[in-house]
Amino acid sequence: DVKVTQSSRYLVKRTGEKVFLECVQDMDHENMFWYRQDPGLGLRLIYFSYDVKMKEKGDIPEGYSVSREKKERFSLILESASTNQTSMYLCASSSFSTGSTYQPQHFGDGTRLSIL
Amino acid sequence: AQKVTQAQTEISVVEKEDVTLDCVYETRDTTYYLFWYKQPPSGELVFLIRRNSFDEQNEISGRYSWNFQKSTSSFNFTITASQVVDSAVYFCALSEGPGAGSYQLTFGKGTKLSVIP
Repeated sequence: DVKVTQSSRYLVKRTGEKVFLECVQDMDHENMFWYRQDPGLGLRLIYFSYDVKMKEKGDIPEGYSVSREKKERFSLILESASTNQTSMYLCASSSFSTGSTYQPQHFGDGTRLSIL
Repeated sequence: AQKVTQAQTEISVVEKEDVTLDCVYETRDTTYYLFWYKQPPSGELVFLIRRNSFDEQNEISGRYSWNFQKSTSSFNFTITASQVVDSAVYFCALSEGPGAGSYQLTFGKGTKLSVIP
């Protein structure tokens, strides 16, 4: 089974802090993703990466950056945390897909981040 | 731009009732992929099913079935004889697929299903 591990289930930080959320997958997947989930808004893509050191902006990248130095690890960084970044953050990974074998994304348990 | 609409925000059913979760999508692509995910209270999204746009065959897996209709741009999900363990938030999602150079999923806002014993 695919295992996507997020470093923390719950995290409390203060405004202005630099926050790191870590995600590790054990299936040698090429693609990794960071989403945030808010009530009434569903899941929104922040950033994704399809290879080491590669990154692409999603729908809501403002206030975030990412790092992918190794294939198995994808970090989300809040450069200067603000209260409107209080949310549930979900990491996902998937393998490279071709044609009809489009591979689904597999998700971690999520990190519930509170910015005070 | 692609869009997924799950008009039902919350549904409550009594155990053993059948329930259908609606999903309507919009895309300009002729090749796309549709997904359903389940998010139980524990928080992890669990992949349930993927359908390709060129395969309209409906699918059944135990108590779960999916009805894909391109004519109405819908991909509905039915749970037969619901159980308390089915209580969760269910998300429908759409991707234009790797052929379009995109791996992004567009999610609906989810439907919260509560199955009452």
